[in-house]
Amino acid sequence: DAGITQSPRHKVTETGTPVTLRCHQTENHRYMYWYRQDPGHGLRLIHYSYGVKDTDKGEVSDGYSVSRSKTEDFLLTLESATSSQTSVYFCAISEAPNQPQHFGDGTRLSIL
Amino acid sequence: QQQVKQSPQSLIVQKGGIPIINCAYENTAFDYFPWYQQFPGKGPALLIAIRPDVSEKKEGRFTISFNKSAKQFSLHIMDSQPGDSATYFCAASMNSGGYQKVTFGTGTKLQVIP
Repeated sequence: DAGITQSPRHKVTETGTPVTLRCHQTENHRYMYWYRQDPGHGLRLIHYSYGVKDTDKGEVSDGYSVSRSKTEDFLLTLESATSSQTSVYFCAISEAPNQPQHFGDGTRLSIL
Repeated sequence: QQQVKQSPQSLIVQKGGIPIINCAYENTAFDYFPWYQQFPGKGPALLIAIRPDVSEKKEGRFTISFNKSAKQFSLHIMDSQPGDSATYFCAASMNSGGYQKVTFGTGTKLQVIP
């Protein structure tokens, strides 16, 4: 398995609170991605990073921000969580743009 | 806009059967087509992938068939086993602005009955 650790694995929080999810990799891959997985939608890209401090938006980025201060860590923040952000969040990494993406085991986030 | 359509949504086969999962895409700029296998509580794991210059690829019991003109591709699992019970996602990707933009299908939940 690719060395990807997501934390926490499960979280329950209330509407309006800030939430930060962490993705840590030991592969030294340049590219990192955050997806959300919802029934009937497959996986949808939230944000991605192509290097330290280099990030860009994906297709469902509204309400989310990211930061990458080190190669190994990619953080996803929900500034003010809403119930529509209840989902399973996956981090992925790839060595280069044309290489396969490898996924972590996800964070199940419930917003009440 | 859904750009990768996957069917069926769920599939039940008996051990030894050959489940087939189909996907269709719209954007001819896609140049890489991976399949992912996902078990409950785990992330998707890359199973097998194909590029559009090849019509078929086999890895063990898993085969991808690719029809470029029809913009369709499918996954066949030979001699299926109960351990193959999982959700399978097809995907299509292309290089977009310096990163690999991957569009996923909505998944097929496969159950292999002993």
